[in-house]
Amino acid sequence: QKEVEQNSGPLSVPEGAIASLNCTYSDRGSQSFFWYRQYSGKSPELIMSIYSNGDKEDGRFTAQLNKASQYVSLLIRDSQPSDSATYLCAVRGSARQLTFGSGTQLTVLP
Amino acid sequence: ETGVTQSPTHLIKTRGQQVTLRCSSQSGHNTVSWYQQALGQGPQFIFQYYREEENGRGNFPPRFSGLQFPNYSSELNVNALELDDSALYLCASSLGGAEHEQYFGPGTRLTVT
Repeated sequence: QKEVEQNSGPLSVPEGAIASLNCTYSDRGSQSFFWYRQYSGKSPELIMSIYSNGDKEDGRFTAQLNKASQYVSLLIRDSQPSDSATYLCAVRGSARQLTFGSGTQLTVLP
Repeated sequence: ETGVTQSPTHLIKTRGQQVTLRCSSQSGHNTVSWYQQALGQGPQFIFQYYREEENGRGNFPPRFSGLQFPNYSSELNVNALELDDSALYLCASSLGGAEHEQYFGPGTRLTVT
């Protein structure tokens, strides 16, 4: 079992829809969770961090964390073609290092 | 722009050679982490430097080594290059350990032939 798993995708949504990206992790001692966006040929860009159970909203982005279920998600409301990218889930576990999933490729169709 | 810079942008090396990659952290950040990202994969943690000391290491062989300088800039050195070392090498700076938000530089694309 991979330490951090994401739906490999690709995920396609129409412009204006809600995109839902999911991530599960295996280390119950994990405390810090991050979502990065990576455009093709570019480096990852931090878009959200979440540390406590529940929802955290920032503009069109909402991160959701459920430590009991070892699950973190990212919702993108009113998706735009410029949101088309690979989204990486990253988890800071007991080993105190950041572990990334393989990413989910999102395409927003005009 | 994160304020994290890396050099060079691209590099082509031959198997068996050695390479040094450089990273300047964001102003005020004292921690640099290095990652290797193969095509289609997420970044893999190589090691982290905090105040000039190695502060955690991933599952990479000893031929991957690093340094952090008093101004918190950092180097990644890879000896005896192998074809599988071809990847995007990313550095990320943060204020403290992995629990803090990390901001990536643009990366160095290394090709080993």
